[in-house]
Amino acid sequence: DTGVSQDPRHKITKRGQNVTFRCDPISEHNRLYWYRQTLGQGPEFLTYFQNEAQLEKSRLLSDRFSAERPKGSFSTLEIQRTEQGDSAMYLCASSLGAGWGQETQYFGPGTRLLVL
Amino acid sequence: GEDVEQSLFLSVREGDSSVINCTYTDSSSTYLYWYKQEPGAGLQLLTYIFSNMDMKQDQRLTVLLNKKDKHLSLRIADTQTGDSAIYFCAESGGSNYKLTFGKGTLLTVNP
Repeated sequence: DTGVSQDPRHKITKRGQNVTFRCDPISEHNRLYWYRQTLGQGPEFLTYFQNEAQLEKSRLLSDRFSAERPKGSFSTLEIQRTEQGDSAMYLCASSLGAGWGQETQYFGPGTRLLVL
Repeated sequence: GEDVEQSLFLSVREGDSSVINCTYTDSSSTYLYWYKQEPGAGLQLLTYIFSNMDMKQDQRLTVLLNKKDKHLSLRIADTQTGDSAIYFCAESGGSNYKLTFGKGTLLTVNP
């Protein structure tokens, strides 16, 4: 299977701890997106990368959140000093590029975070 | 800003057609998408339509787009119990092509 993969699938942590999630996009996809989905809501955009460059961050992404895509392949999303309000499903998506039909995003299975 | 609205629930009988509706506000949307989400899973791309089209058919799925009214619909023919899931409408546009989603429509298919 060469789809988008995410690790871990589930994470339970205590408030105040740091957590890191990983996303591996589809091979040769240049764009990588992170979304957050809370219960009963649609996914909300957090940030995206074009290759290794982080081009936009949502205002939802507080200073406790940081994302990287060091070599333009996999990406990590770190949350420092987790709060109960961070409990959500974190979804990663990738696309071939932008424009001309290349922007269709394919999603991974998500990482479900529970902060106690 | 962008906004996408969907009805929250739809219940149909197996074998009937399902129609899920969506309205959006961003007139600069280039593509509109339908994704399916099963419990505890990620989003599966079902189909999409370019904004200069008004209809797209893909096997049991038919997408209709009324750009003037900013209304999108997804029709599923011969709905099966395996179609039970949450269906999300999403729009994208601008240079970032980020997706803006509705809250999702929970489709329940009764045998």
